[in-house]
Amino acid sequence: DAGVIQSPRHEVTEMGQEVTLRCKPISGHNSLFWYRQTMMRGLELLIYFNNNVPIDDSGMPEDRFSAKMPNASFSTLKIQPSEPRDSAVYFCASSTLLGGRETQYFGPGTRLLVL
Amino acid sequence: KQEVTQIPAALSVPEGENLVLNCSFTDSAIYNLQWFRQDPGKGLTSLLLIQSSQREQTSGRLNASLDKSSGRSTLYIAASQPGDSATYLCAVGGSNYQLIWGAGTKLIIKP
Repeated sequence: DAGVIQSPRHEVTEMGQEVTLRCKPISGHNSLFWYRQTMMRGLELLIYFNNNVPIDDSGMPEDRFSAKMPNASFSTLKIQPSEPRDSAVYFCASSTLLGGRETQYFGPGTRLLVL
Repeated sequence: KQEVTQIPAALSVPEGENLVLNCSFTDSAIYNLQWFRQDPGKGLTSLLLIQSSQREQTSGRLNASLDKSSGRSTLYIAASQPGDSATYLCAVGGSNYQLIWGAGTKLIIKP
């Protein structure tokens, strides 16, 4: 398996623009996680899906952030409008069991810079 | 509320030395504890997962221990190599789906 795939790997955009991050989990994994990593706050869980259903989005910073998982092999994280404080590395991870009970497999991340 | 601490934040040692990385947590009611490695500009790679009923796990030169009663875990790296240079993070899994993350220890192995 190719592992968790994320695109784009790097994104530079201007404040106010819409940003869409994409993730393809490992085939057969039914849990998907979106994380954000910054120097100041470390790793933060944004949202968690199980069997394509959002289970907990309490980590989503505000209404400007939204995530979808239309099928088992694809998820998106959208920021609209983007702000400079959204600059971070965004990771997608997947696992076979309920997250936290089994190893999570991480993608390479999307490095986002909002100017 | 579970809190996970990793000390030191950074560590530099000569190649060949054995070393220990530390992770402490405040709530002993954990499901498991995991150690991850993160290379610069890359994602996280799982190294070892210790279930709450286990005391340790080993993989190659790595050995992770877990002492729930004292709220501590250690990651032991034997015969360190420059390729071991990375940031090491520990994460605690509770009864729900979430992992609670430490801030990581940045390890540099000097040739």
